[in-house]
Amino acid sequence: QLQLQESGPGLVKPSETLSLTCTVSGGSVTRSSYYWGWIRQPPGKGLEWIGSVYYSGSTYYNPSLKSRVTISVDTSKNQFSLKLTSVAAADTCVYYCARQDYPGPTFDYWGQGTLVTVPS
Amino acid sequence: QSALTQPASVSGSPGQSITISCIGTSSDVGVYNYVSWYQQHPGKAPKLMIYDVSNRPSGVSIRFSGSKSGNTASLTISGLQAEDEADYYCSSYTYSSTPGVVFGGGTKLTVL
Repeated sequence: QLQLQESGPGLVKPSETLSLTCTVSGGSVTRSSYYWGWIRQPPGKGLEWIGSVYYSGSTYYNPSLKSRVTISVDTSKNQFSLKLTSVAAADTCVYYCARQDYPGPTFDYWGQGTLVTVPS
Repeated sequence: QSALTQPASVSGSPGQSITISCIGTSSDVGVYNYVSWYQQHPGKAPKLMIYDVSNRPSGVSIRFSGSKSGNTASLTISGLQAEDEADYYCSSYTYSSTPGVVFGGGTKLTVL
């Protein structure tokens, strides 16, 4: 059974960089046809796609976040990562990692999510 | 990328059927058969319920069905049960100048 687990700091200071890692177990990030994505959700609000990465390193991002986002993959560790620069209070969200059956928005396996708080 | 439009809330009684709409544009729902629906209970990760407009993943009840007409996708839940009470989100592949994924704002389903 595929499992994903987010890890990283729960508190990030304004203007700093948010860094999260998603560790995949029970399967490989190198499986073809699947991208690996990050989705976030502000407390009490809806879902927002951040971006996705293929095991080759190919990425695509939400245009509204593209200037601040980098998503990368480490096939040797079976992990993929998110970096979001210049964070502000509006970036306080639960961050989810998920497997994506590209090109559709088909996220079939999700991590449990991790809350990252940026104090105002 | 603009968010897809969903009603904020819908409700129904046990045993009834409800439909949640998801309005997109000619850059997403209207031109691609890549629409998914997610169920989210409080404090939990979203769960994939429908993909590619009308396909159900293994293990999802046949009470859940999806469809699309023009720029509007729909999720129908028949035979409502108490455990169906949750938030539901639609999502679509989108391509204007670049490819991407867009979500709807979410719909709170209340089972009366």
